[in-house]
Amino acid sequence: DTGVSQDPRHKITKRGQNVTFRCDPISEHNRLYWYRQTLGQGPEFLTYFQNEAQLEKSRLLSDRFSAERPKGSFSTLEIQRTEQGDSAMYLCASSSGRGGREQFFGPGTRLTVL
Amino acid sequence: GEDVEQSLFLSVREGDSSVINCTYTDSSSTYLYWYKQEPGAGLQLLTYIFSNMDMKQDQRLTVLLNKKDKHLSLRIADTQTGDSAIYFCAESNGQNFVFGPGTRLSVLP
Repeated sequence: DTGVSQDPRHKITKRGQNVTFRCDPISEHNRLYWYRQTLGQGPEFLTYFQNEAQLEKSRLLSDRFSAERPKGSFSTLEIQRTEQGDSAMYLCASSSGRGGREQFFGPGTRLTVL
Repeated sequence: GEDVEQSLFLSVREGDSSVINCTYTDSSSTYLYWYKQEPGAGLQLLTYIFSNMDMKQDQRLTVLLNKKDKHLSLRIADTQTGDSAIYFCAESNGQNFVFGPGTRLSVLP
């Protein structure tokens, strides 16, 4: 399968713990995006990378959130000191650099903070 | 900031046409998109339109864009039960993507 993959698909954690999610984009896609989706809402943009450079971060991305894409391929999203309000689906998407017209989404990681 | 609005629910009978509407505020939008999301699944890109076009047709899907009114619609011809899902409108200026809240389409037999 050459689509976007995310790991894990589900994560249950206790409040205050740190969690890390991984996204593997479609190979040769140089743009990678992270979104958060809560029930009944559309995806909300968190951040995006062009190659290894993090070019934009949303105001939604508090200091507890950090994302990396060290080699310009896979990316990780870490949430420190999780709060119940962090419970959501975290979606990753990738696109090619030529205008990024077509953005392809992974299946998401569902985070539940108890 | 940019905003994308959609009606939240639509019910149609199998075989009828569905029309899902969307409005957006960002006048610098370059591309406008329609995504489909089925329960427990990620978003699937259905189609997109460049902002200098006013219509795009792809099999049962027709996208209409009124750039002056910042209004986008998706028409699904001969709607089937498999079309039941949430449909998201999104706009992009080539870097950011802003999504609407989604329209839940229910197809009645």
